[in-house]
Amino acid sequence: GEDVEQSLFLSVREGDSSVINCTYTDSSSTYLYWYKQEPGAGLQLLTYIFSNMDMKQDQRLTVLLNKKDKHLSLRIADTQTGDSAIYFCAENPYYGQNFVFGPGTRLSVLP
Amino acid sequence: NAGVTQTPKFQVLKTGQSMTLQCAQDMNHNSMYWYRQDPGMGLRLIYYSASEGTTDKGEVPNGYNVSRLNKREFSLRLESAAPSQTSVYFCASRGTHSNNEQFFGPGTRLTVL
Repeated sequence: GEDVEQSLFLSVREGDSSVINCTYTDSSSTYLYWYKQEPGAGLQLLTYIFSNMDMKQDQRLTVLLNKKDKHLSLRIADTQTGDSAIYFCAENPYYGQNFVFGPGTRLSVLP
Repeated sequence: NAGVTQTPKFQVLKTGQSMTLQCAQDMNHNSMYWYRQDPGMGLRLIYYSASEGTTDKGEVPNGYNVSRLNKREFSLRLESAAPSQTSVYFCASRGTHSNNEQFFGPGTRLTVL
């Protein structure tokens, strides 16, 4: 069945890089997404990658996709306290209606 | 352009009470979704509506009903609330953007005593 896995917690020091990992199961997923949820708020799309890409860079964010291993990662360079949030990995199998979300990784940035 | 709005923001119910969570979007999106978020479990899909007039069950539909009132509005009803329905509920919508993304509302935090 469809399942997206992530580690639940990550702590980093301010200024370091953060790497959040995700594994997914459905090779038909056309897009893979990273959403960010700040405390008390809904989810906002942070970035996404099309399945025919290996890497996407957007300012401090780098997304790496390994389709063979079904592994997705999000790297945040120069992590700031404002990056403290929960980060969700999500896939959209078969380009259909349903999205499958991972459990979320809570990123804590220590001063 | 408010995006996706949800009411209420917070609600406390007693076991057996009923209530309806409201959701509206002003982006002219066809698809709308209801999720619940529980610690360590991510978001689980309750129901979705691919277009006005259609609704389908998601992963965890038991104990819930939905109505797609029109293109803008998609409501979630709990007929007889149970403590297991204590959760944060998110509504989302999706249009035909090139990346197929979903847009989320701010959530409703529901506690059932």
